[in-house]
Amino acid sequence: KQEVTQIPAALSVPEGENLVLNCSFTDSAIYNLQWFRQDPGKGLTSLLLIQSSQREQTSGRLNASLDKSSGRSTLYIAASQPGDSATYLCAAHFGNEKLTFGTGTRLTIIP
Amino acid sequence: DTEVTQTPKHLVMGMTNKKSLKCEQHMGHRAMYWYKQKAKKPPELMFVYSYEKLSINESVPSRFSPECPNSSLLNLHLHALQPEDSALYLCASSHRTDVVDGYTFGSGTRLTVV
Repeated sequence: KQEVTQIPAALSVPEGENLVLNCSFTDSAIYNLQWFRQDPGKGLTSLLLIQSSQREQTSGRLNASLDKSSGRSTLYIAASQPGDSATYLCAAHFGNEKLTFGTGTRLTIIP
Repeated sequence: DTEVTQTPKHLVMGMTNKKSLKCEQHMGHRAMYWYKQKAKKPPELMFVYSYEKLSINESVPSRFSPECPNSSLLNLHLHALQPEDSALYLCASSHRTDVVDGYTFGSGTRLTVV
C-alpha cells in the first residue's frame, strides 16, 4: 500500500530559526512529490514540486529535497517568520491518477 | 491565469436542499479533481475527471453528483446531504492525470449542512 507520513504532527520554533519538515513515503516508484501550505480554513498553496529525476528544488527561503532510495523528502525553511505559521502537507504522485497526502505538520513560529 | 476559482466560498444548506459547487480554471488543464477535507485531516479524493470524462469515483455516496460540462468547468451537485458531509470541498486541476507539472488547488468551499 502506498502511504505518506509526516512527523511530527505539530512543531513550534522561535522566529528566525531554520527548520526542517519531514515527509516519508513507502513506494520508491514515485513520479513526483509536491509540498503545499494550508492556512486555517483555506485552500492549498503549492510551494515546491520535485520530479522523480530531481534531488532538490528551491524557491526563496524554501528548499525541498527528494531521496527516492530512502523514501524521504524534506522541506527546509530558512530564517523562519511568523507568517510561515501554517499546516504543511506533502503529497506524492505514484502514477495512479491521484495524489497521496501526508497527514501534515502544523507549524507555529513564535515571535 | 494560473488560478482555480471556486464558488461559493461558503455555503449553508439544509438536508432537503439541492445546491451546486462550481470550479473553473483557464490554464488548459485537462484533469480536474474534487477533494473533501475535514478539520485537521488531509484532503480525501472524491472524483477525478480526465478530458471531461469521469475516471475515478472513490465510492462517493450518490448524494454527491459531479459534472464536467467542458474542459474549464467542474461542478459538484449536492442533494439530501447529511450533517457529517459538512467539510471544506476543494477543487484541483492538472495538465493531465499523470501530473507532470503538479496540481493547482482552489481556495475551497466551506460547506455546512444543518
